[in-house]
Amino acid sequence: AQSVAQPEDQVNVAEGNPLTVKCTYSVSGNPYLFWYVQYPNRGLQFLLKYITGDNLVKGSYGFEAEFNKSQTSFHLKKPSALVSDSALYFCAVRDSGNNYQLIWGAGTKLIIKP
Amino acid sequence: DTGVSQDPRHKITKRGQNVTFRCDPISEHNRLYWYRQTLGQGPEFLTYFQNEAQLEKSRLLSDRFSAERPKGSFSTLEIQRTEQGDSAMYLCASSLGGARSEAFFGQGTRLTVV
Repeated sequence: AQSVAQPEDQVNVAEGNPLTVKCTYSVSGNPYLFWYVQYPNRGLQFLLKYITGDNLVKGSYGFEAEFNKSQTSFHLKKPSALVSDSALYFCAVRDSGNNYQLIWGAGTKLIIKP
Repeated sequence: DTGVSQDPRHKITKRGQNVTFRCDPISEHNRLYWYRQTLGQGPEFLTYFQNEAQLEKSRLLSDRFSAERPKGSFSTLEIQRTEQGDSAMYLCASSLGGARSEAFFGQGTRLTVV
């Protein structure tokens, strides 16, 4: 069965420190992986995706994510957190053999403290 | 603004009433999705259009829900005989064709059934 796990409901980081938001997945075929961010009462905003190629993907607002096939993970990272990064982060996966269906994680609330 | 737009942003209705939401996708996108999101949860897939054809509908969607996308442009989502359990954020997203394409989301319509 296809699934996405975000094992942490909440991540707390001090401003200026590096942050990591974890995501692991399970699909039968090759994964296409996506990260989205959601601010309060807003829709989801696309951050970055992994399709193929370089395992380190760079995206918007200084975020990057590392695809690890052996660990079936796609963790979101940022070298230096900003208070404005505080939001809800969602990981999603699409099986390359499935043309449209996105499987979503439950989300991780990221809190950056000044 | 060339993003996905949804109308209205907020809707309060009495139980038993019908409501209709509109979504205008990014103009060159042929795919359109409707999702439902409750507080603290990831998006839940409702239905998917490719151009004007509704290709998939979630089994979780009751017969009270219907969606259309006439002429493959804007889409409407109607909920008949609303129930309190329908209270949620309804998100619309659009994308180009192909499994590699990311979806772009509107800001959502927040429905409250009283």
